[in-house]
Amino acid sequence: GAGVSQSPSNKVTEKGKDVELRCDPISGHTALYWYRQRLGQGLEFLIYFQGNSAPDKSGLPSDRFSAERTGESVSTLTIQRTQQEDSAVYLCASRDRASYSYFGPGTRLLVL
Amino acid sequence: SQQGEEDPQALSIQEGENATMNCSYKTSINNLQWYRQNSGRGLVHLILIRSNEREKHSGRLRVTLDTSKKSSSLLITASRAADTASYFCATDLTGGGNKLTFGTGTQLKVEL
Repeated sequence: GAGVSQSPSNKVTEKGKDVELRCDPISGHTALYWYRQRLGQGLEFLIYFQGNSAPDKSGLPSDRFSAERTGESVSTLTIQRTQQEDSAVYLCASRDRASYSYFGPGTRLLVL
Repeated sequence: SQQGEEDPQALSIQEGENATMNCSYKTSINNLQWYRQNSGRGLVHLILIRSNEREKHSGRLRVTLDTSKKSSSLLITASRAADTASYFCATDLTGGGNKLTFGTGTQLKVEL
């Protein structure tokens, strides 16, 4: 079946603009994660959604970052007033009941 | 400090040789997972080992877990050029709210 999809694949924006990144998880996966990966580095946890529970936002680096999820489907990550330090690949993953996480291809964000 | 430190940071071997990567972590875990990443984009799940398991195999992959030493190793036997990628360990921490904490990765290069 279809895997995790993310859009856009690439996004170039100007400093100070807002961006919205989208993630479509695998159908039936109740858990969804957002991670950020800067060039040459590991993955940095941002936010976690599990069913109807309150999301774990402990990884969001500032109040410019927010995320929403509609039920157990699409999630959007919004970055307001982007800064050059926000440039990174943003990865979304959904998890099945066996605890395996399946990652999307990521959105490469470049803030000029 | 960082949970999930991989060692070495970079590894270069000849095709046909075995590659061993190590991961250390600091707190108790539910499970530990290994992922592969090609070209800085989406991650591919390789293998999951639970805290009560000591060794798992999947094809040419062998993972061990030593909870007393808080360490894991990933062995790739008979390596191929296509194995060239970055490899990450990720820990599902006990009481960590089900999010995966990633290390900084090992860059493996398999040369012909």
